[in-house]
Amino acid sequence: GESVGLHLPTLSVQEGDNSIINCAYSNSASDYFIWYKQESGKGPQFIIDIRSNMDKRQGQRVTVLLNKTVKHLSLQIAATQPGDSAVYFCAENGKSSNDYKLSFGAGTTVTVRA
Amino acid sequence: DAGVTQSPTHLIKTRGQHVTLRCSPISGHKSVSWYQQVLGQGPQFIFQYYEKEERGRGNFPDRFSARQFPNYSSELNVNALLLGDSALYLCASSLGVGSSYEQYFGPGTRLTVT
Repeated sequence: GESVGLHLPTLSVQEGDNSIINCAYSNSASDYFIWYKQESGKGPQFIIDIRSNMDKRQGQRVTVLLNKTVKHLSLQIAATQPGDSAVYFCAENGKSSNDYKLSFGAGTTVTVRA
Repeated sequence: DAGVTQSPTHLIKTRGQHVTLRCSPISGHKSVSWYQQVLGQGPQFIFQYYEKEERGRGNFPDRFSARQFPNYSSELNVNALLLGDSALYLCASSLGVGSSYEQYFGPGTRLTVT
């Protein structure tokens, strides 16, 4: 079964507000996590990643937090814009022998209200 | 620079038929992975190829097969199509295999089985 999952399937946020998208994982051996954004009709697009030896990583308007104690990670988007409307996936880049497949959660659909 | 390209964009097949999907990786990328994304779900790993060799296989039946060519492009073949095979098929390429290599996704091929 899947090793990652998201808490809420949908999130509606007012333009300009901050967004927080949550994800729980079950594999305590996971050592690398990625957030992807998927817009309608497109493939997933890399947003930000974090390794298990880190608690926080910041990018442009985005921050990923990792809590290994409760096996939870979150994506924070600052000053949400209409272009942020998309489906967001957390993924684990697990390793099993020689492959590095991505295991995705079900996704959170973010809708930005004007 | 061209990203990952996939063909065809859309296709419709009948149950029992077979289908071949094609992927061209980003220039210089030697690894290609295939994912199936059913509507409303996250992508599910099917195969990973690196330097023309299979490096990983997901939990899919033997009706699914793939190969990678000397120019690193790849084909995904599905035989004896079922209604449940209807999905978006995503190809991702990376420079190598491992968590240090970001996977870049193509726009996908939308397969509808009737």
